[in-house]
Amino acid sequence: RKEVEQDPGPFNVPEGATVAFNCTYSNSASQSFFWYRQDCRKEPKLLMSVYSSGNEDGRFTAQLNRASQYISLLIRDSKLSDSATYLCAVNIRLGNTGRRALTFGSGTRLQVQP
Amino acid sequence: DGGITQSPKYLFRKEGQNVTLSCEQNLNHDAMYWYRQDPGQGLRLIYYSQIVNDFQKGDIAEGYSVSREKKESFPLTVTSAQKNPTAFYLCASSIGTSGSSYNEQFFGPGTRLTVL
Repeated sequence: RKEVEQDPGPFNVPEGATVAFNCTYSNSASQSFFWYRQDCRKEPKLLMSVYSSGNEDGRFTAQLNRASQYISLLIRDSKLSDSATYLCAVNIRLGNTGRRALTFGSGTRLQVQP
Repeated sequence: DGGITQSPKYLFRKEGQNVTLSCEQNLNHDAMYWYRQDPGQGLRLIYYSQIVNDFQKGDIAEGYSVSREKKESFPLTVTSAQKNPTAFYLCASSIGTSGSSYNEQFFGPGTRLTVL
């Protein structure tokens, strides 16, 4: 089982629709969670950090469900410019050093159509 | 302007050659990372560095080497031992990874490496 899993999509939605993505993680000790947006042939850009209490930034809402080990991203009133791949990232302890790095999902592709 | 720069943007290599990808940041971040991304895939961690003169292997370190002689710089060398090096290489940095908290990573624009 992959440490971080996402539905690759694509999710094809009309403008104005609400769309949600989930991302599951396998390491119950994970403590930090993020959503990144990646446009075609570009670098990932941080969209949101995901806090235990959930957080909202405009049309974007991120939630964390520790019991079921997943995070979610909700996009309301989709715009054409939201078309991109959305990557989730989870911090995973590496070895016994206590050091951590992010593990990324493979991404979910969103295509918003006029 | 603060940020992370990577060079070159595109790089072509003949089989058997070593190449070095540059990554520089002026964000005063302690931690730096190298990832590889293949088409339609997520990011896979190659190497990371917490502080100067220290670095650790990630998930796919074989065929790669790094150095961290300065806080601002974390170059990646793709050696001839890397059998399938054609990919998109991304460098990232974060304030640090101390304790139980974790800071967001920020990425450079990437280098596309093609082996001819």
